[in-house]
Amino acid sequence: DTGVSQDPRHKITKRGQNVTFRCDPISEHNRLYWYRQTLGQGPEFLTYFQNEAQLEKSRLLSDRFSAERPKGSFSTLEIQRTEQGDSAMYLCASSFLLGQGHGYTFGSGTRLTVV
Amino acid sequence: DQQVKQNSPSLSVQEGRISILNCDYTNSMFDYFLWYKKYPAEGPTFLISISSIKDKNEDGRFTVFLNKSAKHLSLHIVPSQPGDSAVYFCAAAGSARQLTFGSGTQLTVLP
Repeated sequence: DTGVSQDPRHKITKRGQNVTFRCDPISEHNRLYWYRQTLGQGPEFLTYFQNEAQLEKSRLLSDRFSAERPKGSFSTLEIQRTEQGDSAMYLCASSFLLGQGHGYTFGSGTRLTVV
Repeated sequence: DQQVKQNSPSLSVQEGRISILNCDYTNSMFDYFLWYKKYPAEGPTFLISISSIKDKNEDGRFTVFLNKSAKHLSLHIVPSQPGDSAVYFCAAAGSARQLTFGSGTQLTVLP
């Protein structure tokens, strides 16, 4: 196991198209998070899974966004009818425990460009 | 409303000297604080953390200080090395255990 994997690394899409990103967390981690980062800003929380249950969603996650984590393993983030404002780095992170010296482990991200 | 703020977008220090990165927060419910380092085209990498029951945590060249009354934390890197050049994010978590990040500080260590 080499960490959190995200696929694809880069995605260029035309406005109005749908896109889907995949995240494979560290296998023993039961928590999985999606964040979005735009230029000059820190990562912003989108949504969080504990095992297969989606426990929290940010108000940033509009109706065009949907995330799943079937069987509590990998996760997908889909954006429907993409807009130019969706252009950002989408980061996935996983953790078993936050606290006591532990943090999330992030993947390298998927950079989305909507043209 | 930014709950976690890093007011210095950039910092330059000479190799071998101390780097001090600062972070302020507004939410008194935060009880766990972290620092991440980010290189271009990579995800953030966890560096060091501190619980609100402590005021200092040290790991090698990295020390994090927490001043709860001032709602302020800082990361000290001693001695600074050119490989430390990166963007540093502070982050905070409350009971929900989701992280709220600052906007980052670009550290440049000059040889």
